[in-house]
Amino acid sequence: QVQVMESGGGVVRPGRSLRLSCVASGFTFSTYGMHWVRQAPGKGLEWVAVIWYDGTNEFYAGSAKGRFTISRDNSKNTVYLQMNNLRAEDTAVYYCGRDGAPRDSSGYVEYWGQGTLVTVSS
Amino acid sequence: DIQMTQSPSTLSASVGDRVTLTCRASQNVNRWLAWYQQKPGTAPKLLIYTSSNLESGVPSRFSGSGSGTEFTLTISSLQPDDFATYYCQQYIVYPWTFGQGTKVEIK
Repeated sequence: QVQVMESGGGVVRPGRSLRLSCVASGFTFSTYGMHWVRQAPGKGLEWVAVIWYDGTNEFYAGSAKGRFTISRDNSKNTVYLQMNNLRAEDTAVYYCGRDGAPRDSSGYVEYWGQGTLVTVSS
Repeated sequence: DIQMTQSPSTLSASVGDRVTLTCRASQNVNRWLAWYQQKPGTAPKLLIYTSSNLESGVPSRFSGSGSGTEFTLTISSLQPDDFATYYCQQYIVYPWTFGQGTKVEIK
């Protein structure tokens, strides 16, 4: 069955960097877009970024543009989120998810990981 | 960015009730809208995509409708497992955006 598992969360000081990883299994990874979505404590969901199945396109939320970079390694069934210049408001659970349709991104997240918590604090 | 507004923010209902949740978009999203359910401490779960398509494995008591700027999620007979927070999401144009959520609680 489809499984998605995030790692790399933790406590980091403002201005520092952190890289999240997400390993997927149970499907042909290289044919699906992958997303990152975050949720601040007690708040709603915020879409962060998507990368197309072949890595040729990436799109970001305004809050992530210029500071975060999504990438993927199809040989390792892994997608990454490099987060630079972190701020307190980036504190959230970060979910990785598989897109709903193969090839071009459908736009919705069909399968979700359990999330990894990032805390930005001095 | 397209703003998604859900109403009500909280809905109190009883088991067996028919409940309707609303999601409004600040501009036309055609039918490019999804609904998710989230329970505390767990990841969201996809319920509906493209406004009215039921995700595999989701009970048929859930249904979605709408197009353009107004959408609804209906639960025909609320079950104990349905008490959760529900989010809509548009995916017609980047950045994709979620509504703020509707919490369905026990009356």
